[in-house]
Amino acid sequence: GAVVSQHPSWVICKSGTSVKIECRSLDFQATTMFWYRQFPKQSLMLMATSNEGSKATYEQGVEKDKFLINHASLTLSTLTVTSAHPEDSSFYICSARDHRGTETQYFGPGTRLLVL
Amino acid sequence: GENVEQHPSTLSVQEGDSAVIKCTYSDSASNYFPWYKQELGKGPQLIIDIRSNVGEKKDQRIAVTLNKTAKHFSLHITETQPEDSAVYFCAASGRFGNEKLTFGTGTRLTIIP
Repeated sequence: GAVVSQHPSWVICKSGTSVKIECRSLDFQATTMFWYRQFPKQSLMLMATSNEGSKATYEQGVEKDKFLINHASLTLSTLTVTSAHPEDSSFYICSARDHRGTETQYFGPGTRLLVL
Repeated sequence: GENVEQHPSTLSVQEGDSAVIKCTYSDSASNYFPWYKQELGKGPQLIIDIRSNVGEKKDQRIAVTLNKTAKHFSLHITETQPEDSAVYFCAASGRFGNEKLTFGTGTRLTIIP
């Protein structure tokens, strides 16, 4: 149980284009999902907290107009990187918390983004 | 906000020996402390967690201890195996409704066959 999927697993795009990443909780409902960013050999940095049916809460320094988050259902959250640039290249990971459970966050497998 | 420090950054252990990773946190309101294992190119996998009303928790070869007074918690892996090689992250968060996780900087554990 507690499986979280992400799609795509990796994506290469040209500078200036937008990329959408999906995060799904497969066997539970998640009222709250989280989006993280991880650079090579570094820790996970929280970008935003996504609550179903409401606007996401962004961490300080994260541009909400650049990283659009939508959490339209209890099993799906999306992160759209708009007008991507090479510095946006990173490993993006989502996590989800079971709405019936406790503080435990289950992580997806991550999406590697490379912007050329 | 919360600050989590993790040591050591790298750890090499002979197969069969034990490994210990330590973390300290700054916010006394934190009460949930998970440990994640991350293999190369994959997302973090929850391996064990502990809440502040418990001092120790064990799951087969893995154990976590928590000292709330000193604000530190540790991961213990016994009888290490090559498949234990990975990066391990500790984290801390607050109560239900404030579950934002603050991660440590990670420990790269290498098990030497």
